[in-house]
Amino acid sequence: GQQVMQIPQYQHVQEGEDFTTYCNSSTTLSNIQWYKQRPGGHPVFLIQLVKSGEVKKQKRLTFQFGEAKKNSSLHITATQTTDVGTYFCAGLNNFNKFYFGSGTKLNVKP
Amino acid sequence: EPEVTQTPSHQVTQMGQEVILRCVPISNHLYFYWYRQILGQKVEFLVSFYNNEISEKSEIFDDQFSVERPDGSNFTLKIRSTKLEDSAMYFCASKGGERDEQFFGPGTRLTVL
Repeated sequence: GQQVMQIPQYQHVQEGEDFTTYCNSSTTLSNIQWYKQRPGGHPVFLIQLVKSGEVKKQKRLTFQFGEAKKNSSLHITATQTTDVGTYFCAGLNNFNKFYFGSGTKLNVKP
Repeated sequence: EPEVTQTPSHQVTQMGQEVILRCVPISNHLYFYWYRQILGQKVEFLVSFYNNEISEKSEIFDDQFSVERPDGSNFTLKIRSTKLEDSAMYFCASKGGERDEQFFGPGTRLTVL
């Protein structure tokens, strides 16, 4: 069945270092969304990517959608302690069903 | 800013009991979802609801689960006979249009003893 895999599972970085999480789907996606969940909180929407090869930026965050619309990445430049949390991708397939990735838990050491 | 609300924030129940988790989605939204998240694990899709009927459900959403939109505002998840493994955080989410972002509620932590 449809799967959305996300790596790495955990990432520990020193404040100021960069961070990247990768999301891969077993099938082509209609679009992909990224969410951030702070410890003890609920997922909060960050961004949606729709077009093949699309790149979007939000300040220090850069989101990419692969040409084949099967993979995506989130890159954070110069991490800060406020970036701590779990980052989930969620892919919408052609049957309008969302599949969440397993998430990447980011810890930033000051 | 409009938000999704959920009650209760924490529910403790005995195994075999029925529970109803309640959600009030954002008022002009049309698509409604329930997800669960076992502690430390990923968010798992349970069910989606549109136009007063279930549009998709996962393998987790078996006969013990049901959803209702009893009036114009509430969206409920009922677990008929809870099991220990139903212990998790349950999130409700809603969205306005088919390809819009989902807005998540704060969740209900269900503990089954």
